Amino acid sequence: GAVVSQHPSRVICKSGTSVKIECRSLDFQATTMFWYRQFPKKSLMLMATSNEGSKATYEQGVEKDKFLINHASLTLSTLTVTSAHPEDSSFYICSARDNAGGYTFGSGTRLTVV
Amino acid sequence: GENVEQHPSTLSVQEGDSAVIKCTYSDSASNYFPWYKQELGKRPQLIIDIRSNVGEKKDQRIAVTLNKTAKHFSLHITETQPEDSAVYFCAAPDSGYSTLTFGKGTMLLVSP
Repeated sequence: GAVVSQHPSRVICKSGTSVKIECRSLDFQATTMFWYRQFPKKSLMLMATSNEGSKATYEQGVEKDKFLINHASLTLSTLTVTSAHPEDSSFYICSARDNAGGYTFGSGTRLTVV
Repeated sequence: GENVEQHPSTLSVQEGDSAVIKCTYSDSASNYFPWYKQELGKRPQLIIDIRSNVGEKKDQRIAVTLNKTAKHFSLHITETQPEDSAVYFCAAPDSGYSTLTFGKGTMLLVSP
């Protein structure tokens, strides 16, 4: 089946630094990818929709300058958390529409900002 | 946009019992309804989905029913096992079948 690879799985960074998370579709092309954020014991909240070759569409309340999204190819989307602070600590997970019309998730990235 | 409500938020059952989780959605144009199982610290895994042209779909111990008129769909797990313990999310796409909106999740605990 469709596979989405996400790296890193876990990252600890210092406050004020930036962190890049990669999401790759391994056996299909994904013109659209989605980035979610999940706090402990909470649901997945859509942050933005990443469109290949164009600007991402951000959900209300999500700062585009804080969470930079780049979708430079049909198989790769990246999320960069800029100037990270402890409140940015969360589980970030990407998703892509696969060829069957379903949604395949990456394995997620646990970000801890200290 | 789509609004998805999910109930209950927690559900405790004894091994062998059945479990039912219910969701409602707001966008009458939605036509795809997946259910995901998420174990702690892991990605959501699709366990079953249903499209709007059918009212029920079954896969072994798991079934999903859909009532388009009432705009609700339910997950049914029969003969529950401890390994079924996890958080379950329903979801529905926004108009245009693009982004998925998730319910708030149901923590299912199956006791031996």
